Amino acid sequence: DGGITQSPKYLFRKEGQNVTLSCEQNLNHDAMYWYRQDPGQGLRLIYYSQIVNDFQKGDIAEGYSVSREKKESFPLTVTSAQKNPTAFYLCASSINPLGGDQPQHFGDGTRLSIL
Amino acid sequence: AQSVAQPEDQVNVAEGNPLTVKCTYSVSGNPYLFWYVQYPNRGLQFLLKYITGDNLVKGSYGFEAEFNKSQTSFHLKKPSALVSDSALYFCAVRDLVSGGYNKLIFGAGTRLAVHP
Repeated sequence: DGGITQSPKYLFRKEGQNVTLSCEQNLNHDAMYWYRQDPGQGLRLIYYSQIVNDFQKGDIAEGYSVSREKKESFPLTVTSAQKNPTAFYLCASSINPLGGDQPQHFGDGTRLSIL
Repeated sequence: AQSVAQPEDQVNVAEGNPLTVKCTYSVSGNPYLFWYVQYPNRGLQFLLKYITGDNLVKGSYGFEAEFNKSQTSFHLKKPSALVSDSALYFCAVRDLVSGGYNKLIFGAGTRLAVHP
């Protein structure tokens, strides 16, 4: 079955540490997205990528970095500069970055906590 | 700027009764609107969308939504609620960005609780 796989499901970060969240999709989608979800705030866009080797900052990119070296992979690094990283992180993809009439498909998330 | 609002943090309904989850939007141009559902510790699942055409849109699991341009609303509805419908529901609107690409702007979510 096609889908989006996020790993790990739970992740703990020590002070001053960078951690990387994995997102892999086998849907052959061009566009991929990273969101942060906090209680009562809905989803906020961190980074998005419409094609390989290109990505754009979203609304809350500070303290995060991404890469898009392969179509199926879009890892997110939470750096030590992100002072409040505790949240639920969701990765998504969509088939066509132009037009915007296609829904995004989501993975099951990674819950990040500070030790 | 595009925006979407879900005015209710929580909606409570008895099983078998009709349910409505409200969403209002503010966009320039024609709106592309979406509803998603999220179960605990899971990602979002797409329910339905409005792009153009009939104002009543039918989606997954018996849900439907009514697009009302004059009231700038896109309320989610179901004729008969099930306990298993209890979840967090998100409304979203497309936002065009540079280069002709697009992203979604999400509402804060509405928690639906269906009681037996």
